[in-house]
Amino acid sequence: EDQVTQSPEALRLQEGESSSLNCSYTVSGLRGLFWYRQDPGKGPEFLFTLYSAGEEKEKERLKATLTKKESFLHITAPKPEDSATYLCAVSGGNNRKLIWGLGTSLAVNP
Amino acid sequence: DVKVTQSSRYLVKRTGEKVFLECVQDMDHENMFWYRQDPGLGLRLIYFSYDVKMKEKGDIPEGYSVSREKKERFSLILESASTNQTSMYLCASTPGGGFLQPQHFGDGTRLSIL
Repeated sequence: EDQVTQSPEALRLQEGESSSLNCSYTVSGLRGLFWYRQDPGKGPEFLFTLYSAGEEKEKERLKATLTKKESFLHITAPKPEDSATYLCAVSGGNNRKLIWGLGTSLAVNP
Repeated sequence: DVKVTQSSRYLVKRTGEKVFLECVQDMDHENMFWYRQDPGLGLRLIYFSYDVKMKEKGDIPEGYSVSREKKERFSLILESASTNQTSMYLCASTPGGGFLQPQHFGDGTRLSIL
């Protein structure tokens, strides 16, 4: 069964404390993996798309990487404004629609 | 920037009512989507549309219908609202390419059915 699992469910960091969020997937024939950020009461906001293993994308303090089994969202020296829920979604397998993970809720304390 | 606008941020309706949720995008996007988001269940696709007057069922279409009479507008209809349809509803659009392009989301409608 095609599946996307995000870990941890919740993460609390101190400002400046770098860490990584994980998105593991079990789909055959990955067509694309997407990272989104969602603030409370808002819709998801697109961050990155990764299409093939080895690919990396960066934006400010965020860096997304992709292997054949998982993706990591690395957050370097986070700030309180990085607090949000980070969602991962995958297109691939037998299902042409997106398969969404449940997200990681990140809190960055000042 | 793409703007996806959902007509209401909060909506309260009664069981059995017919409910309309409206979504408008301003970037001439071909594809539009309706999701619902529930704690512990994540985002689930209700319906999507590749073009005007076209619609396809998502993963949970039961109890819902959609209308796309104009390219910029995609409406979600709850035929006879029930309490289990209380949820956050999110509309999204892409320029084309179906599910292979990043989706642009509106800010959602939090719907409560009493």
